Amino acid sequence: EIVLTQSPGTLSLSPGERATLSCRASQSVSSSYLAWYQQKPGQAPRLLIYGASSRATGIPDRFSGSGSGTDFTLTISRLEPEDFAVYYCQQYGSSPATFGPGTKVDIK
Amino acid sequence: EVQLVESGGGVVRPGGSLRLSCAASGFTFDDYGMSWVRQAPGKGLEWVSGINWNGGSTGYADSVKGRFTISRDNAKNSLYLQMNSLRAEDTALYHCARDSVVPAARGAFDIWGQGTMVTVSS
Repeated sequence: EIVLTQSPGTLSLSPGERATLSCRASQSVSSSYLAWYQQKPGQAPRLLIYGASSRATGIPDRFSGSGSGTDFTLTISRLEPEDFAVYYCQQYGSSPATFGPGTKVDIK
Repeated sequence: EVQLVESGGGVVRPGGSLRLSCAASGFTFDDYGMSWVRQAPGKGLEWVSGINWNGGSTGYADSVKGRFTISRDNAKNSLYLQMNSLRAEDTALYHCARDSVVPAARGAFDIWGQGTMVTVSS
């Protein structure tokens, strides 16, 4: 199965700053079938990005995804207070679908 | 409102069984594949099992294969997970999730329930 590694484990930033989160796969992700999710404490995950770079319905344009092959990035252009959360990447190009361990974005 | 609501979790002894349910509303249930994704306390996400729109195709993580069975009843807009031979490592919050039908997102999960907690302990 494809193993996903996310870095950094924790990102401490201030509102208004830019956040750059990395997701690396142990082998190439087929057709860029890579998604990003946001999870806040006590809540279910929310789909942000699919196909490596397409925003899901209702997701603000400050969230963007990029990458292909084994290296993917989620960028939040300017952090809003509601963006402080844990972010997971998921590959769904190969079975079984697998998730990364997550990056926590917290307030500096 | 599109919604998934899980139920059936609880505390069970090792070797025991539980049946989880997920009630779907606000969308045409039999248009979508569905999955179960779990999250151990303080840990990340793990896909557990998935089923296609009519139940004709299912898949399981190696960690649960042979012990868990996924099923659905489209007449009742419901998804199920029968869990047998439970182990301590199955302790987790179990989310039901809807598989996206957007072509580039097939395999991603666009709607999630809040989850039901399963604790396996003696």
